[in-house]
Amino acid sequence: AQTVTQSQPEMSVQEAETVTLSCTYDTSESNYYLFWYKQPPSRQMILVIRQEAYKQQNATENRFSVNFQKAAKSFSLKISDSQLGDTAMYFCAFMIGGGTSYGKLTFGQGTILTVHP
Amino acid sequence: NAGVTQTPKFRVLKTGQSMTLLCAQDMNHEYMYWYRQDPGMGLRLIHYSVGEGTTAKGEVPDGYNVSRLKKQNFLLGLESAAPSQTSVYFCASIKGYPAGEQYFGPGTRLTVT
Repeated sequence: AQTVTQSQPEMSVQEAETVTLSCTYDTSESNYYLFWYKQPPSRQMILVIRQEAYKQQNATENRFSVNFQKAAKSFSLKISDSQLGDTAMYFCAFMIGGGTSYGKLTFGQGTILTVHP
Repeated sequence: NAGVTQTPKFRVLKTGQSMTLLCAQDMNHEYMYWYRQDPGMGLRLIHYSVGEGTTAKGEVPDGYNVSRLKKQNFLLGLESAAPSQTSVYFCASIKGYPAGEQYFGPGTRLTVT
């Protein structure tokens, strides 16, 4: 079974600064995806960024980037130039890339991020 | 496209009552999922379906049943609601390998008193 651990229950950052959210995972699979989801107070789950395990290059999406360390099973999210609208709960999630377990997400416990003006 | 929709958005049940949550997607996705989210926790998988007419158990299936009679709909049933089932329920869908991304519905907040 897969596990995902987010060790930071809460984080805060000043507007325009950079913050990094941590995530570690445990799996014996070689083909998998990793995701960061944002959940604002509206509770809608919004995909922030996605990483395929076979890709060595770290994914980036505008102000969001990841540091994917496959050997260490670490997948951190960096948010640059933080904005007030980034205030939300952030979840790290793992998904097996094929077979009968394809598509099932395993989530971490979440990190509440607050951006202060 | 409406994406993934859930009905109802809110519901209050008394212990022992039954209800069905409806999830609908208009993206022709093969795979569909039901998750629950409890305070301070991530989402946990209840049941899922890899195609019309198929269902399977997830991590926390007890007390729930599901059906997928039509490809676009995935129903979650509570036969005899318990306070422990108070939660926010999310439905999600994914097209199929190797798309990767899951599309989530807006969630249903269920309170069982």
